[in-house]
Amino acid sequence: KAGVTQTPRYLIKTRGQQVTLSCSPISGHRSVSWYQQTPGQGLQFLFEYFSETQRNKGNFPGRFSGRQFSNSRSEMNVSTLELGDSALYLCASSSSTGTPETQYFGPGTRLLVL
Amino acid sequence: AQKVTQAQTEISVVEKEDVTLDCVYETRDTTYYLFWYKQPPSGELVFLIRRNSFDEQNEISGRYSWNFQKSTSSFNFTITASQVVDSAVYFCALSDPNYQLIWGAGTKLIIKP
Repeated sequence: KAGVTQTPRYLIKTRGQQVTLSCSPISGHRSVSWYQQTPGQGLQFLFEYFSETQRNKGNFPGRFSGRQFSNSRSEMNVSTLELGDSALYLCASSSSTGTPETQYFGPGTRLLVL
Repeated sequence: AQKVTQAQTEISVVEKEDVTLDCVYETRDTTYYLFWYKQPPSGELVFLIRRNSFDEQNEISGRYSWNFQKSTSSFNFTITASQVVDSAVYFCALSDPNYQLIWGAGTKLIIKP
């Protein structure tokens, strides 16, 4: 099976702009989670989508949003970018059968906000 | 509240040495899951192991082994005969009641040739 794919891999934006990141899960996986990784805060959970519905949400401002499509592909959007949004954004998919299934991660999108 | 502590920020050893990465967790749940992931310089998190709270059997996979002790709330990871390719950041994680992962800060492992 193909792994989790994320596009783009690298992105440079300026403050105030918005950005959309894309994630395609492993075939058959219906749960997609997003994480932000920074040197200072480590790995932080953003949100999780399952069957096109946001099932869980981390402690991030409303500028961070996401959605999931019927084919389980997911996008996350960050509006009004701030310098502190520079990070590695990781997407993970799992089969989500009712127990904490293993999450498989994509290569990430490195976002730099100038 | 759940918490995962990886007290070792960075470990440096010479190739072929054995090395143990520590992970201590806190949770009030009786059912929980623990994970280890490896993050090489490329950035992708690679799944290593998943263990539930009812299975305290130690696990061995090649040069990797894990020691799970509920009595001390620890889930330590040992690499035997380390290799340069083992150099990476290793994360321990704990599932929360919503099945999301609570992450440790990670341990950077440097294997010198």
